[in-house]
Amino acid sequence: EAGVTQFPSHSVIEKGQTVTLRCDPISGHDNLYWYRRVMGKEIKFLLHFVKESKQDESGMPNNRFLAERTGGTYSTLKVQPAELEDSGVYFCASRKTGAYEQYFGPGTRLTVT
Amino acid sequence: AQSVAQPEDQVNVAEGNPLTVKCTYSVSGNPYLFWYVQYPNRGLQFLLKYITGDNLVKGSYGFEAEFNKSQTSFHLKKPSALVSDSALYFCAVGTYKYIFGTGTRLKVLA
Repeated sequence: EAGVTQFPSHSVIEKGQTVTLRCDPISGHDNLYWYRRVMGKEIKFLLHFVKESKQDESGMPNNRFLAERTGGTYSTLKVQPAELEDSGVYFCASRKTGAYEQYFGPGTRLTVT
Repeated sequence: AQSVAQPEDQVNVAEGNPLTVKCTYSVSGNPYLFWYVQYPNRGLQFLLKYITGDNLVKGSYGFEAEFNKSQTSFHLKKPSALVSDSALYFCAVGTYKYIFGTGTRLKVLA
């Protein structure tokens, strides 16, 4: 079974530009999560989808971040406009309902200059 | 509030020796605990979890972890380290969302 995939693997943009990250979860996993690791610090939760619904978006830093999961399959995370402090590695994870463990993608390294 | 601490930024161990990567937690209620490993340019790979039951949990690649409720710890262990175990290890706690520690870099020396 294919794992969680993320695109792009690396993105370099200038401050003020827009970037969209994509995550494709494991097939059949209704739960999808976004996390972020900034500058070698701990990995922090951003939000959680159950199918297409946002279950918890308490970790979203501000309204420059918009996550969607149309149709309950893949998800996108848009940052608009990007700021320097948004640089970091953005991880996506998915989990099958009834299971406890999450499966992570390889991450997208975002660099804002 | 829930929290996780990994007190060591880096752990060095000789190949063939036992290894321990430490994790302590603070939660209200029963903890769900996890260990993940990240190899260079890869995502986090699930190693093992503690939900309930036996305090010693066995996972992938020969790793195990011991849940200690009185010490609120969940240390990752392996009896004999391999050079290929060198990676970044994360402890996490949570139910539907995780709180992670800051990570511990394990370096196994040949």
